[in-house]
Amino acid sequence: DIQMTQSPSSLSASVGDRVTITCRASQSIRSYLNWYQQKPGKAPKLLIRAASSLQSGVPSRFSGSGSGTDFTLTISSLQPEDFATYYCQQSYNTPQTFGQGTKVEIK
Amino acid sequence: QITLKESGPTLVKPTQALTLTCTFSGFSLSTSGVGVGWIRQPPGKALEWLALIYWDDDKRYSPSLKSRLTISKDTSKNQVVLTMTNMDPVDTATYYCAYGKMWQLGFSFDYWGQGTLVTVSS
Repeated sequence: DIQMTQSPSSLSASVGDRVTITCRASQSIRSYLNWYQQKPGKAPKLLIRAASSLQSGVPSRFSGSGSGTDFTLTISSLQPEDFATYYCQQSYNTPQTFGQGTKVEIK
Repeated sequence: QITLKESGPTLVKPTQALTLTCTFSGFSLSTSGVGVGWIRQPPGKALEWLALIYWDDDKRYSPSLKSRLTISKDTSKNQVVLTMTNMDPVDTATYYCAYGKMWQLGFSFDYWGQGTLVTVSS
């Protein structure tokens, strides 16, 4: 299995902050990387597919970058509704593993 | 509008089998590139990918659970069924089904069901 490691596991930030979350794959996954947002008690929501393609309806303050083994999710200006847990997922091969999640909390 | 909903027992006993049904609308599982997968999440923990069935009946399983899982589809009923045998308390989790599509660069779960919490306990 390809291991997906996110860092940090959690972070505290203020509204308006720029936030960066990193996801590292245990082997190259080219750009086969998705990002999801999950709020408590809710199902995950797709934010970004293929490392950098913003899903329709997702605010432009979210962006993704990277290829190979290292990827980044950036929130340019954190909004109150962005406090949630974020997961990366590789779709390069089976099983399509998820990272362990990064919880973004209010400072 | 794409929607998915999971159904099945909320409580199962250890060693029993679990059968979950995902009933969906807004798409056809006979459309090229489309797939429906199952993902679970133990309370307070991360997401775990379980299985995926594609429009052409190609089935993929998590290797660590492959011996216990069976995924199938009924295109006429717009349903996908997941069976997991020999349930254990560690299998207690919220189980999600999700719709996805193959893109030029991979596959993503674009729409998710609300999830169903399954507790394994005697």
